[in-house]
Amino acid sequence: DAGITQSPRYKITETGRQVTLMCHQTWSHSYMFWYRQDLGHGLRLIYYSAAADITDKGEVPDGYVVSRSKTENFPLTLESATRSQTSVYFCASRRGEGEQFFGPGTRLTVL
Amino acid sequence: DQQVKQNSPSLSVQEGRISILNCDYTNSMFDYFLWYKKYPAEGPTFLISISSIKDKNEDGRFTVFLNKSAKHLSLHIVPSQPGDSAVYFCAASGSDSWGKLQFGAGTQVVVTP
Repeated sequence: DAGITQSPRYKITETGRQVTLMCHQTWSHSYMFWYRQDLGHGLRLIYYSAAADITDKGEVPDGYVVSRSKTENFPLTLESATRSQTSVYFCASRRGEGEQFFGPGTRLTVL
Repeated sequence: DQQVKQNSPSLSVQEGRISILNCDYTNSMFDYFLWYKKYPAEGPTFLISISSIKDKNEDGRFTVFLNKSAKHLSLHIVPSQPGDSAVYFCAASGSDSWGKLQFGAGTQVVVTP
């Protein structure tokens, strides 16, 4: 199906483990984004990408790593998970100008 | 330092009445503003947007008003329906920002029968 998908939808991990959240879009949009949603903060930008192999930091990048070897995929890796990274993570994409389209989210719990 | 603020965390409105959601911003470089709607366990979905060259944009029951001098925008929903019960996020971006969005904290709207 066309659209933007995220996997897994739910993940429980332990402090110190590496976790990768996957994001896949079928529109061939150039721009992709990762946000985290926390109560009282709305959505905050972690990393973004303007095209394959072009990525840059957002507002809250510490503890996260991204890559974008293919236009359609934009994985987000937590290299050593911490409890403060417990959150809901949203991936989004945008063709050029205009609105961003969001995936369904991944709820991550770090114990 | 939040550059987009939604000062009302919640709003309760009767079905059929008007819902008015407010949003303030501090960055004068913002030139594009959006409203997103979010249901539980789903991603945000785009609702309506406005460019800084306009002061009003309408789409069906939804109207967004922009007051640049006050750095304020509002979303009007008329008439409100039970399906409008959701969290609404205001977002903003600048022309030099690659479309990166700054979001407000959100307003939970509950439409009662």
